[in-house]
Amino acid sequence: IQMTQSPSSLPASVGDRVTLTCRASQSIGYYLNWYQQKPGKAPKVLIYGASSLQSGVPSRFIGSGFGTDFTLTINSLQPEDFATYFCQQSFTKPTFTFGQGTKVEVK
Amino acid sequence: QAALKESGPVLVKPTETLTLTCTVSGFSLSSSRMGVSWIRQPPGKALEWLANIFSNDEESYNPSLTNRLTISKDTSKSQVFLKMTNMDPVDTATYFCARIDLGYASVHFDSWGQGTLVAVSS
Repeated sequence: IQMTQSPSSLPASVGDRVTLTCRASQSIGYYLNWYQQKPGKAPKVLIYGASSLQSGVPSRFIGSGFGTDFTLTINSLQPEDFATYFCQQSFTKPTFTFGQGTKVEVK
Repeated sequence: QAALKESGPVLVKPTETLTLTCTVSGFSLSSSRMGVSWIRQPPGKALEWLANIFSNDEESYNPSLTNRLTISKDTSKSQVFLKMTNMDPVDTATYFCARIDLGYASVHFDSWGQGTLVAVSS
């Protein structure tokens, strides 16, 4: 299963509401997870099961979608949210695939 | 609190075999809920899942790399190993190990090591 994220780069400003998209090449139900990665750091899971917020993650991160189309919305973008975001499907567990990432950068 | 830490060579030559170690703490490799994966990331590029191992010794591999990878573990030492043969410069990447928690319907990597950068060059 191929995972395609768009856009690859998203210029934004603090306070913006931003929406990132992840599309699967075939239906994966709700088996979709989102990660945030900052430069030089390991990824951190934000959302699992398409819409469940990982413990400790701020509520401004909202995941939605089912089947092939998924979104990650960040409400009121904060300075610490500038990072690269990856989606990952677990429909085919125990094998997994990631999207190519969306970099949220300063406009 | 789960913690994972990768170790291994920073430089390998083309055609050599890479062996990496992931030392875990805060959870047991014998737990039926837990597994450990290896994931890599070439500089500036996307994440690529490589392999998993679970408490029952079940192994899974990325189909595009399966003939080059071997994952194993030593539960008594809380260590997971990854062996990758016939290294090539395109294998230059940061290699991460991460914990999988099977307790969720949508299996995800909930704890990660810091990663170890491996360069392949003669």
